[in-house]
Amino acid sequence: DAMVIQNPRYQVTQFGKPVTLSCSQTLNHNVMYWYQQKSSQAPKLLFHYYDKDFNNEADTPDNFQSRRPNTSFCFLDIRSPGLGDAAMYLCATSRDPGNQPQHFGDGTRLSIL
Amino acid sequence: GESVGLHLPTLSVQEGDNSIINCAYSNSASDYFIWYKQESGKGPQFIIDIRSNMDKRQGQRVTVLLNKTVKHLSLQIAATQPGDSAVYFCAERGMGNQAGTALIFGKGTTLSVSS
Repeated sequence: DAMVIQNPRYQVTQFGKPVTLSCSQTLNHNVMYWYQQKSSQAPKLLFHYYDKDFNNEADTPDNFQSRRPNTSFCFLDIRSPGLGDAAMYLCATSRDPGNQPQHFGDGTRLSIL
Repeated sequence: GESVGLHLPTLSVQEGDNSIINCAYSNSASDYFIWYKQESGKGPQFIIDIRSNMDKRQGQRVTVLLNKTVKHLSLQIAATQPGDSAVYFCAERGMGNQAGTALIFGKGTTLSVSS
């Protein structure tokens, strides 16, 4: 049974048109993460929420934002997608930060027209 | 800076052989390491982890070895099966960021298992 669910699996948007990707979890984990993974590359952390506290990675562009309205849901907003933002976006959770595994969803593949 | 890399981008083995996937890391202060398996079109799947106070940990058909002296991590898969074909990533818990949560991933090794 899927525990980290990402919707949609595939998303197509137009250059410059805002897009929102969704993630939900049934694990009741405190931490939710968003990663960007480009073709044949490793996942790269964009930001994470520890409960309601938002933690942005230093090199994450301002174009990327996130919201976590409750424990179960987290959203990735791309305000003005550029061609370089085409990638797989992965959501992950962990019970707490620190030395424990992160559990990933199957990602949303974003294409930009 | 911190980085985690893998020695070989691809590894091809025969079904039934043992596979060894290697990873080198640069931050001697890192205290936690994970191996993930990623199949095409799916998210990374947790395989096994190890803390820096250990040098070996075993799971079902998998063993992770940690050599802190040379900053080397390896994943051994026993009796490799076609279903093991995937990209394997090692990841290191980054130090010095806000909450110590960042996983820094290596570049990945593609394992191909032929029957």
